[in-house]
Amino acid sequence: DAKTTQPPSMDCAEGRAANLPCNHSTISGNEYVYWYRQIHSQGPQYIIHGLKNNETNEMASLIITEDRKSSTLILPHATLRDTAVYYCIVRVVVQDSNYQLIWGAGTKLIIKP
Amino acid sequence: DTEVTQTPKHLVMGMTNKKSLKCEQHMGHRAMYWYKQKAKKPPELMFVYSYEKLSINESVPSRFSPECPNSSLLNLHLHALQPEDSALYLCASSQSPGSNNSPLHFGNGTRLTVT
Repeated sequence: DAKTTQPPSMDCAEGRAANLPCNHSTISGNEYVYWYRQIHSQGPQYIIHGLKNNETNEMASLIITEDRKSSTLILPHATLRDTAVYYCIVRVVVQDSNYQLIWGAGTKLIIKP
Repeated sequence: DTEVTQTPKHLVMGMTNKKSLKCEQHMGHRAMYWYKQKAKKPPELMFVYSYEKLSINESVPSRFSPECPNSSLLNLHLHALQPEDSALYLCASSQSPGSNNSPLHFGNGTRLTVT
């Protein structure tokens, strides 16, 4: 069962910041939040992950609330090439230090010129 | 471009055929994964190999048979598939299955159609 809920779709104007929300109210203390995106006809691409603190890399920023029940992925200056399905994922421990990604249903982000 | 290479890109097979999907990575990763993705759905985990040993099998039917000949290669052997097995099959790798900072790197998948 999915541990995350995301809006099914969002629009954003080119050049603006895209803010993608995700709820993960049942997340446990040692479970990370991961974000991947999937551009049409390609495999998923890793974006960013975090546990408690906010994170930033060359692609995006991840803001996690203090209670860890929700997070927001921020693409600071969206371009047309950012049009994709964005997946919010919780990484859980399954056995003997093996981890599994529990994928949300994804948000289809459309960047408009 | 992706550092995980999957072949073939497309495959059409009949229900009585035997075929194999191949996956290769040269990043020195020690964990490799097979996922299945149906249209408009997230990927679903099928198998995990950790240090060339099968560590997770998500109750996948035996008509799917994984093989990990060495740390760089992962195969998925297909036999007697059903039309509902038509999907995008994705391979992924990570440095190790237990690392906190080891994201999965995905290939672009094999689009499988079973007729």
